[in-house]
Amino acid sequence: GAGVSQSPRYKVAKRGQDVALRCDPISGHVSLFWYQQALGQGPEFLTYFQNEAQLDKSGLPSDRFFAERPEGSVSTLKIQRTQQEDSAVYLCASSPLGTGDPLGNEQFFGPGTRLTVL
Amino acid sequence: AQTVTQSQPEMSVQEAETVTLSCTYDTSENNYYLFWYKQPPSRQMILVIRQEAYKQQNATENRFSVNFQKAAKSFSLKISDSQLGDTAMYFCAFMKQSTGNQFYFGTGTSLTVIP
Repeated sequence: GAGVSQSPRYKVAKRGQDVALRCDPISGHVSLFWYQQALGQGPEFLTYFQNEAQLDKSGLPSDRFFAERPEGSVSTLKIQRTQQEDSAVYLCASSPLGTGDPLGNEQFFGPGTRLTVL
Repeated sequence: AQTVTQSQPEMSVQEAETVTLSCTYDTSENNYYLFWYKQPPSRQMILVIRQEAYKQQNATENRFSVNFQKAAKSFSLKISDSQLGDTAMYFCAFMKQSTGNQFYFGTGTSLTVIP
C-alpha cells in the first residue's frame, strides 16, 4: 500500500505508563504532521516536521509529549506518564513538499491510533 | 486565533437527494485556504474539496460544491445526488497561507445517507 500507515491501531494503557505511536508516511514525503482528535471533536494540530527537523511543536499539550523523526521518514509520538485526558485518536499526515502552496501539497492522512488510558 | 464552527453535529439525507453542510470561520488573515474533509468509519481522512480565499468562483468536484461567502466567513458544502458511500463525518478546515501547512478543523458533522 502506498498510503500513510500508523501502528498500533489501538492502544490501551494504564495511567502513568509510557506509550509510543508510530507513523510511516508516504515514501518521499517531506512534511509530516501529528494531530490529536478527542472524542466528538475535530483533529487538533500537535507538531510538524520537515524532513528530520521539527519546525513547529506549538500544539503539544505538555512536556509529556515528545515527537521525533530522526531519519526524515518514520516518526514516533511518545507520551510519557499517560493521563486519562490523553485518550484520543492520534492522526498522522504527510505531504510531498515542505511548507508552501498547500494546494500543491495535499496532506494525506493515516487511519489513526486510538489511545485509551484507563 | 483561527476558529472553525460547524453548527450541525448530525444530519441525514435520503439517497439521491441534496444536502448542505454549514461551516463558518473566524480569522483576521486575508490569504487562506478552506477545505472539506470526509472521515468514513475507517477513520482515514479524505480530501473532498478545497477553495482558495482569493478566488471568488466556488469550487466544484463532481457531486460536491461549495458556497464560499468571504465577507460572511461562510463555507458550506453541498452534496448532490447523495450516495450511501457519502455516509461519514465531514470536517471543515482552515489553513493560513502565512505559516506552515497546519490545519484548523471544526468539530465535524456526522452525515447519514438513508437508503
